[in-house]
Amino acid sequence: AQKVTQAQTEISVVEKEDVTLDCVYETRDTTYYLFWYKQPPSGELVFLIRRNSFDEQNEISGRYSWNFQKSTSSFNFTITASQVVDSAVYFCALSPLIGAQKLVFGQGTRLTINP
Amino acid sequence: NAGVTQTPKFRILKIGQSMTLQCAQDMNHNYMYWYRQDPGMGLKLIYYSVGAGITDKGEVPNGYNVSRSTTEDFPLRLELAAPSQTSVYFCASRARDVFFGPGTRLTVL
Repeated sequence: AQKVTQAQTEISVVEKEDVTLDCVYETRDTTYYLFWYKQPPSGELVFLIRRNSFDEQNEISGRYSWNFQKSTSSFNFTITASQVVDSAVYFCALSPLIGAQKLVFGQGTRLTINP
Repeated sequence: NAGVTQTPKFRILKIGQSMTLQCAQDMNHNYMYWYRQDPGMGLKLIYYSVGAGITDKGEVPNGYNVSRSTTEDFPLRLELAAPSQTSVYFCASRARDVFFGPGTRLTVL
């Protein structure tokens, strides 16, 4: 069975602080994808990143960075110099690489950036 | 490309009514999914399809039905709506990346 755990239900920081959102996953698949999505107050789901299980390189995109560690089954997301526009709910998700490729989502972390 | 489109955006149903949530994608994706998101929660899979004519149950299929007669369309049918089906419904399609529609906010009173 697959499971994604986002232990941080809510995080609140002051603008310009760095913040890390944790994601821990469980799967019996040897190959899989990991995803992060952003859900702003408007409600849509915005795709942020997809990683393959065989690619453990960290990824940086502007103020966003992701740390994938297979040894600890974690795929953490860091926002550097946070901004008010980063306020949203962030979801981590997991799917197998082959087959029906169903996404399993974590419960989400609500991030609030205060001015 | 319009991506994934969903109609309607909002709907209020009375208990026992039925309705169909429409979902269409123009990316020629084989895989399509229906999820529901309850307030403050993550997304749960209702049904999915790996291609036209092929559908299967997800985690929470009770009270719903789907069909997939074409690659583009994947409607979700609610029969005998119940208050427990009050939720936001998201349709998605994928190649490797997963694209979500804007959602349908459904209230059952």
